[in-house]
Amino acid sequence: TQLLEQSPQFLSIQEGENLTVYCNSSSVFSSLQWYRQEPGEGPVLLVTVVTGGEVKKLKRLTFQFGDARKDSSLHITAAQPGDTGLYLCAGVSGGTSYGKLTFGQGTILTVHP
Amino acid sequence: DADVTQTPRNRITKTGKRIMLECSQTKGHDRMYWYRQDPGLGLRLIYYSFDVKDINKGEISDGYSVSRQAQAKFSLSLESAIPNQTALYFCATGDFRDELEGYTFGSGTRLTVV
Repeated sequence: TQLLEQSPQFLSIQEGENLTVYCNSSSVFSSLQWYRQEPGEGPVLLVTVVTGGEVKKLKRLTFQFGDARKDSSLHITAAQPGDTGLYLCAGVSGGTSYGKLTFGQGTILTVHP
Repeated sequence: DADVTQTPRNRITKTGKRIMLECSQTKGHDRMYWYRQDPGLGLRLIYYSFDVKDINKGEISDGYSVSRQAQAKFSLSLESAIPNQTALYFCATGDFRDELEGYTFGSGTRLTVV
């Protein structure tokens, strides 16, 4: 069974601070995705990283895929209250199970004005 | 209309009752998934289907069954509901023809078993 360990589970910060969320596994994934979920809604895809060592930027969000394709990080610069939500990493399986996602436990981010 | 529609949005049922959660999608994808979400545990896969004739168990399938009635419809049943099945249930679809594409999720069904 492939597992993804996400940390921290909770993050409470002030507006303007920076933060990093980590996602680690002992397994290699075909790719890794980050989702954001708001209360009462399903997760929404933020980004997919595919290549080991890849870095993608989405405005104030920076996503990195580890060289060995087992871990990833999400860094938010100058967090804003609108960033508040649940962030989930998900590993994409390859082979015959291609497309099956394994999710981390999630990080609940609260950004205070 | 939403790409993935789940019904009902909320349901309270009694222990031992059979209940069905329904999901339909308009994305035209072959693959559909049912996940369960509990606080601190992320989303855990219950069942998935890669096409109408292909049904697979996920990591927590005990106590659940599914039916793929058509490409667009995938329903989840709890044969005899128990309180620890109280959770938020999500249906999703995604075919990864583009490796950058993710899942599209429904808005979820909040199920309470009393």
